[in-house]
Amino acid sequence: DGGITQSPKYLFRKEGQNVTLSCEQNLNHDAMYWYRQDPGQGLRLIYYSQIVNDFQKGDIAEGYSVSREKKESFPLTVTSAQKNPTAFYLCASSPPGISKNIQYFGAGTRLSVL
Amino acid sequence: ILNVEQSPQSLHVQEGDSTNFTCSFPSSNFYALHWYRWETAKSPEALFVMTLNGDEKKKGRISATLNTKEGYSYLYIKGSQPEDSATYLCAPEGYTGGGNKLTFGTGTQLKVEL
Repeated sequence: DGGITQSPKYLFRKEGQNVTLSCEQNLNHDAMYWYRQDPGQGLRLIYYSQIVNDFQKGDIAEGYSVSREKKESFPLTVTSAQKNPTAFYLCASSPPGISKNIQYFGAGTRLSVL
Repeated sequence: ILNVEQSPQSLHVQEGDSTNFTCSFPSSNFYALHWYRWETAKSPEALFVMTLNGDEKKKGRISATLNTKEGYSYLYIKGSQPEDSATYLCAPEGYTGGGNKLTFGTGTQLKVEL
């Protein structure tokens, strides 16, 4: 089935540790996105990529890094510089086009700090 | 960052009631308005994408209207059913230097009781 797969579902990070969240899609979408959700807040954009080997910072990129080496994959690394990483992380993708394209979401990864 | 407001924050209705929610957003730099439904333990799913002032979309018992001049959209649910229980997110789409992106509101959480 076509869709977006995020793994793991739950992730625990120790102080000072980098962790990587996986996002894979088989929808042949060009654009991919990472969002963060905190209680009482809307989804906030961390990074997005419109095409392979290119990505842009979103509204809250500090303490995160991404790569886009393959069309299907857009992993997010939460670095030790991110002082408040506990949150729910959603990955999304959308088909090519200038605008007005709906985004398809994964099931999310919940990250907690030990 | 756009200021997107959704009201009410939460809503409890009885089965069969009709209800509506509001999404307010800045009317400048506007490309489209997206509505998503997010059921507990599932991924957000797109309901509508609207672009034109006065646009109206319908999907079963759910409909939405758009006023781009004054910057608001209404989502209506007619004859609410328990399966309508979810968080409803709106997201205006605007242009940034790196492409179009969505800015999500905090959502309206709907619970439909028997």
